[in-house]
Amino acid sequence: EDQVTQSPEALRLQEGESSSLNCSYTVSGLRGLFWYRQDPGKGPEFLFTLYSAGEEKEKERLKATLTKKESFLHITAPKPEDSATYLCAVQAVRSGGSYIPTFGRGTSLIVHP
Amino acid sequence: KAGVTQTPRYLIKTRGQQVTLSCSPISGHRSVSWYQQTPGQGLQFLFEYFSETQRNKGNFPGRFSGRQFSNSRSEMNVSTLELGDSALYLCASSLDLRVGTEAFFGQGTRLTVV
Repeated sequence: EDQVTQSPEALRLQEGESSSLNCSYTVSGLRGLFWYRQDPGKGPEFLFTLYSAGEEKEKERLKATLTKKESFLHITAPKPEDSATYLCAVQAVRSGGSYIPTFGRGTSLIVHP
Repeated sequence: KAGVTQTPRYLIKTRGQQVTLSCSPISGHRSVSWYQQTPGQGLQFLFEYFSETQRNKGNFPGRFSGRQFSNSRSEMNVSTLELGDSALYLCASSLDLRVGTEAFFGQGTRLTVV
């Protein structure tokens, strides 16, 4: 069974204090790893898709990296508006050729001004 | 462009009743997926529809069902509601079924079963 574990569950940072969120996964036949941002009362917002180990993607203050066992979401010099829950998900091939996404529980990030 | 629209936003139902939730995808998107989000289990995949056909299904009981219409709009139905079905139900649309295709989520329907 596919498993996705995110750590830490919650993270408090001061504005400008860089840090990383972790997403470790156990899956057979990884086809893609996704990062989403979710604000309270809203649906998740797509950030990145990573397909293979060694791949990196950047967007503003966010940088996502992928290894064979985990992914990191690095947040450089965060601002209060970066406060949100960050979700990681993996998509793997199941029997029959279907793709079922499995989500982690998320990391709740609060950035204090 | 208009985003994914889910209706209603909030719903209160009694145990044993059934409920139908609606999702209008972004224009041009043919894939619609449904998710259940709870504090205890997180975000869990229910099913995915493409061109009016269910393509993928998660591990939920048969009380959870869905369908997609020719205009790509989708509905999900939950019969014989249980207290544990209280959750935020999210719909996401994407252009196609390819892995990595960006999915756009609606704001969800908050279902409370009493």
